Amino acid sequence: KAGVTQTPRYLIKTRGQQVTLSCSPISGHRSVSWYQQTPGQGLQFLFEYFSETQRNKGNFPGRFSGRQFSNSRSEMNVSTLELGDSALYLCASSLLRGQPQHFGDGTRLSIL
Amino acid sequence: QKEVEQDPGPLSVPEGAIVSLNCTYSNSAFQYFMWYRQYSRKGPELLMYTYSSGNKEDGRFTAQVDKSSKYISLFIRDSQPSDSATYLCAMPLMVTFGTGTQLKVEL
Repeated sequence: KAGVTQTPRYLIKTRGQQVTLSCSPISGHRSVSWYQQTPGQGLQFLFEYFSETQRNKGNFPGRFSGRQFSNSRSEMNVSTLELGDSALYLCASSLLRGQPQHFGDGTRLSIL
Repeated sequence: QKEVEQDPGPLSVPEGAIVSLNCTYSNSAFQYFMWYRQYSRKGPELLMYTYSSGNKEDGRFTAQVDKSSKYISLFIRDSQPSDSATYLCAMPLMVTFGTGTQLKVEL
């Protein structure tokens, strides 16, 4: 069974640009969450999607947004990139909400 | 106070040692608890999860929960160099993670 797939694995952008990251959950999983991981802050929750609806949102500015499609695949978008957005962005999926999540290997985003 | 507190380490032990990794939490609403292992340049991998107080064993790994003290532990027996990774505890409700303990098992 394929795991959570995130694309691209690495991305380099400059300040002010925007970026879209993609996540394909484990087949059959309907809940998808996104996290930002940095050395200083650890893993921080961004948002959770279930049935194409955002169910929870972490404490991040509105520049961070996401969506989920009918096949449960998800994308997150970051607009007007800042240097501080450099991080590993992780996607996790679970069968249903509130169940243990399985992570992808992330997209490493570097802002120059 | 953070919802989940975890000693960041690093923790260095000799091969074969018993390792104890710990987290404390503040929200008594948490009903289940998870441990993840993260290797460098990889995403966190779900190791174990438990819904109740007491112990849960899986091979060399034992997860222990003490809800009265709001304290969870992960024990690794007969530690191996391949166990060298960062270990994160996690609780539900927007899946709150500890900051992770970096473990190094030396030959």
